[in-house]
Amino acid sequence: QKEVEQNSGPLSVPEGAIASLNCTYSDRGSQSFFWYRQYSGKSPELIMFIYSNGDKEDGRFTAQLNKASQYVSLLIRDSQPSDSATYLCAVTLSGGYQKVTFGTGTKLQVIP
Amino acid sequence: AAGVIQSPRHLIKEKRETATLKCYPIPRHDTVYWYQQGPGQDPQFLISFYEKMQSDKGSIPDRFSAQQFSDYHSELNMSSLELGDSALYFCASSLRGTGFEKLFFGSGTQLSVL
Repeated sequence: QKEVEQNSGPLSVPEGAIASLNCTYSDRGSQSFFWYRQYSGKSPELIMFIYSNGDKEDGRFTAQLNKASQYVSLLIRDSQPSDSATYLCAVTLSGGYQKVTFGTGTKLQVIP
Repeated sequence: AAGVIQSPRHLIKEKRETATLKCYPIPRHDTVYWYQQGPGQDPQFLISFYEKMQSDKGSIPDRFSAQQFSDYHSELNMSSLELGDSALYFCASSLRGTGFEKLFFGSGTQLSVL
């Protein structure tokens, strides 16, 4: 079992819709959770981070964390074609100072 | 704002050759990470350094070595290159004192082994 799991997609949503990206992790001791956006051939770019249970909103992005269910999600409201990218969920695992482990990423396609 | 700088951007090598990748972290960042990303794959953690000392080790082959220098830049040395080493190599940096590891990535070095 991978330490961080995501549905590889592609996830297709129409422009203006809400895109929902999901991630589960195996280590209950995980402390920090991140969402990175990666365009093809480019480096990952941090777009959201969350440390506590609940929701965290930043513009059109909302990160949701449920530590009991070991689940973190990213909602993108009013999806735009420019949001089309691969979204990587990343988690810092317990043990080894804050090593960041990535999921395989979910490819999002926003259709105009 | 200054970002993480990696060099070279592209590198082409033959099998069994050696390669050196360089990374210059964001000024005042004290931690450097190296990741390897194959086509369609997620970034795989290789190794990290904090204050010039190795702080964590991932799936780095024995043929690879890395270090962080006094000016905080880091180099990844790869020897006896294999075809499977062809990948995008990312360096990232962070400031450990902030408590949580928000990584900022460089543009990567695309290594092609022929």
